Amino acid sequence: QSALTQPASVSGSPGQSITISCTGTSSDVGGYNYVSWYQQHPGKAPKLMIYDVTDRPSGVSSRFSGSKSGNTASLTISGLQAEDEADYYCSSYTSTSTWVFGGGTKLTVL
Amino acid sequence: EVQLVESGGGLVRPGGSLILSCAASGFTFSGSPMHWVRQASGKGLEWVGRIKSRTDYYATGYAASVKGRFTISRDDSKNTAYLQMIGLKIEDTAIYFCTRQPPGTGTADYWGQGTLVTVSS
Repeated sequence: QSALTQPASVSGSPGQSITISCTGTSSDVGGYNYVSWYQQHPGKAPKLMIYDVTDRPSGVSSRFSGSKSGNTASLTISGLQAEDEADYYCSSYTSTSTWVFGGGTKLTVL
Repeated sequence: EVQLVESGGGLVRPGGSLILSCAASGFTFSGSPMHWVRQASGKGLEWVGRIKSRTDYYATGYAASVKGRFTISRDDSKNTAYLQMIGLKIEDTAIYFCTRQPPGTGTADYWGQGTLVTVSS
């Protein structure tokens, strides 16, 4: 199972919006509504930000939203804040009953 | 409060073996599938494998990179999941996280702090 494709880095200024893409295939992202997004700060465990494509866990800011079109899922962060600077990973359930992660995207808040 | 605490990491020689434990609390452990995810230094997350709950016959699944070498098990009476690793390779060096999958979802909502496994001669 190949890793999902994410951009290596994205950046934005405080207050702006950014979108991180996550491209897979019809055997993972495109085939199931089980895409998740995780935020990871250096030296910390990942934190769930979005699950099942669009759902937000309790306690996660509404500035974070998820969507999917075909084989590509997206994470949008609006009103960028300094504390949003982190690595972001997508993951998906797959047709072989396994999970697969994206390579990760480093978000820099300018 | 949900807590996942991994232990058992350490330094091991190539070809060696190690067993990691994940002690869970704060939720109904027996009803939740449990996963292991690893992260090599400076690299991304890699799914290792999972074990389902008793109602799904404790079914296991593994990434191709570890299949046949790693085994996931659980003891619901101890609220603990395990990752048994044999035939360790240098490329298995990573922080290993255990995670909980809430029933009915395809996500991992709680993560442990991780335990470091170093495979080196």
